[in-house]
Amino acid sequence: DTAVSQTPKYLVTQMGNDKSIKCEQNLGHDTMYWYKQDSKKFLKIMFSYNNKELIINETVPNRFSPKSPDKAHLNLHINSLELGDSAVYFCASSPTRGGTIQYFGAGTRLSVL
Amino acid sequence: GENVEQHPSTLSVQEGDSAVIKCTYSDSASNYFPWYKQELGKGPQLIIDIRSNVGEKKDQRIAVTLNKTAKHFSLHITETQPEDSAVYFCAARGKNAGNMLTFGGGTRLMVKP
Repeated sequence: DTAVSQTPKYLVTQMGNDKSIKCEQNLGHDTMYWYKQDSKKFLKIMFSYNNKELIINETVPNRFSPKSPDKAHLNLHINSLELGDSAVYFCASSPTRGGTIQYFGAGTRLSVL
Repeated sequence: GENVEQHPSTLSVQEGDSAVIKCTYSDSASNYFPWYKQELGKGPQLIIDIRSNVGEKKDQRIAVTLNKTAKHFSLHITETQPEDSAVYFCAARGKNAGNMLTFGGGTRLMVKP
C-alpha cells in the first residue's frame, strides 16, 4: 500500500484555469505538507498543515490554497494558473509537526500551456 | 530565515569510489539535518539524518558528519554502486514557524559502472 499518494500524476492545462491536486496519507500522521520542485530541482516548502493549523510560506501566491477535509487528506487548489506554476508538486507527511522524517508522495507534474 | 547551500550540483564517480556531498546552513539554531535521495520519477526518500547533539552518524555505506561551529554537514557514500545514482538533497530545520525544513539545491550523483 502506498503511504502517501497523490493524484493525478500528470496534469496538463491552459493558463487561467483552476485545478486541484489531491493527496492522501495512510500513515496516521498529524502533519502534511506541500512542496514545489522547479525545473532546476529546487525543492521549496509551500505549506505545512497540522491539526487545522495552516502555516504558509510567505512567498506562495494566494492563488494557491490547501484544503484539508480530514487529517489524512491535504489537497492543493490552484486558481488562475500561470506559466510559472509549471513544476512538480510533492505532498509529504510526518508523524508530528517539526519536519522530522517526512514521507513524500511520487509527485504531480503540472504543465501550464 | 534559514538558507541551505549544497555542493557540488553534479558529481560523477566510478563504481566503488567514495562520494562526498557538502552543505552549509545559516541558522545557528537549526537542530535537525536530514538527507533525502530522489530517484527519477519518484519523490524524495529519507536515507539518513543527524541531530545537533551528535557529530557523526553511520548506516552501512552511508555516513553523515555535522560541524555545528562551522555550520556545515556532509554526506559520505562509500563503495558506490550504480543504484546510488540519484539526486541527493540535504535539509535543515531552523527556528521558523512550523519548524519546516529548508532544502539545499540538490546534487545529481552519477555512478559509472
